Amino acid sequence: IAGITQAPTSQILAAGRRMTLRCTQDMRHNAMYWYRQDLGLGLRLIHYSNTAGTTGKGEVPDGYSVSRANTDDFPLTLASAVPSQTSVYFCASSATGTGGYTFGSGTRLTVV
Amino acid sequence: QKEVEQNSGPLSVPEGAIASLNCTYSDRGSQSFFWYRQYSGKSPELIMSIYSNGDKEDGRFTAQLNKASQYVSLLIRDSQPSDSATYLCAVRGRDDKIIFGKGTRLHILP
Repeated sequence: IAGITQAPTSQILAAGRRMTLRCTQDMRHNAMYWYRQDLGLGLRLIHYSNTAGTTGKGEVPDGYSVSRANTDDFPLTLASAVPSQTSVYFCASSATGTGGYTFGSGTRLTVV
Repeated sequence: QKEVEQNSGPLSVPEGAIASLNCTYSDRGSQSFFWYRQYSGKSPELIMSIYSNGDKEDGRFTAQLNKASQYVSLLIRDSQPSDSATYLCAVRGRDDKIIFGKGTRLHILP
């Protein structure tokens, strides 16, 4: 593993199903983030975690949940998927301080 | 509501010319500023960071920051077709969260 790994790369999901998007980093970054990116709307923050054991809500948290049991992993769960959750999802991480974020390669999710 | 504004483009620039990308932000207390490049279907990649007023150069890229005007820019010299991408301006505010602009699409004409 180098950097941030997201899985799956893409997924087609039936509406109403539960889905967990996985994110793992090996940079020992304290902070991790989940974004969704939609055409015309840019990157929008879903949830974040400043350190293991803590999480917070971003701009568009409804319908999503996260957990941060350890430093490396930050899974995003859709409890009951809806078509409006069709998007590209990016996980990101950063060391605390003034640096920028490092992004994973993304998960393209289609809810039908 | 904290905002980061960019012209969506597309901005078309001839190969070899200078591409100029601009960004304004609303949070006057912001301290850290970034430019990301995103190729179609790929994830954003950090290409420049700037923290103080003035210019910062890295190869063909120059970032410019003017905190008084709440303005950040990115200049790309000797533009290449491989520079064609969407460029995202990002600003870290006082709450330590980074807000992203919606991006400017840059197209380098061969």
